[in-house]
Amino acid sequence: DIVMTQSPDSLAVSLGERATINCRSSQTVLYSSSNKNYLAWYQQKPGQPPKLLIYWASTRESGVPDRFSGSGSGTDFTLTISSLQAEDVAVYYCQQYYSTPYTFGQGTKLEIK
Amino acid sequence: QVQLAESGGGLVKPGGSLRLSCAASGFSFGDYYMNWIRQAPGKGLEWVSYIGGGGSAIYYADSVRGRFTISRDNAKNSVHLQINSLRAEDTAVYYCATDWGDHGGMDVWGQGTTVTVSS
Repeated sequence: DIVMTQSPDSLAVSLGERATINCRSSQTVLYSSSNKNYLAWYQQKPGQPPKLLIYWASTRESGVPDRFSGSGSGTDFTLTISSLQAEDVAVYYCQQYYSTPYTFGQGTKLEIK
Repeated sequence: QVQLAESGGGLVKPGGSLRLSCAASGFSFGDYYMNWIRQAPGKGLEWVSYIGGGGSAIYYADSVRGRFTISRDNAKNSVHLQINSLRAEDTAVYYCATDWGDHGGMDVWGQGTTVTVSS
């Protein structure tokens, strides 16, 4: 199984500042034939289902604000929020869909400092 | 409007069974794979099971294999999760989700149904 490890577990950032969340997979999620990383990022607010933010590691889902960006390849990935807004307070998860079981990271709780 | 709606959760004793359902609307259901994901109280997300559009490709997490069975009825636009031999650690909100945008990430989720296993 591919183990997904996020860091940090929690993060407090001031409004308007940059937030960075890291995700590492125990083996590559880059599919060589397509040159795509099978990695997604989700945002979950209390009492709500997760919301897809980023897929293929760096492609923003339709309707997601452009302050959210994803980067990385192979085994190391980053979700960046360029200018934190109050509505971004949530738990963020990475997930690999390279192979089953489609494992998630443990989550990173983002708060306002 | 693309929607998923889970049902069938409830309170069940250890060793008991439940059948969860997920009703889909607003899209050509048989063209899409479906997943079940669960979230224990205060915990993270755990992928549980996958079923392909035609129903022949099926995968399970190790933690549920042999106790959970996923199935789908494309004529009724629904996917089911039969959960047997329930344990306290199966207590969770169970979500169904799909990749409607066909890009690998799960972009459509239901609101979830709660399963509580307790004596």
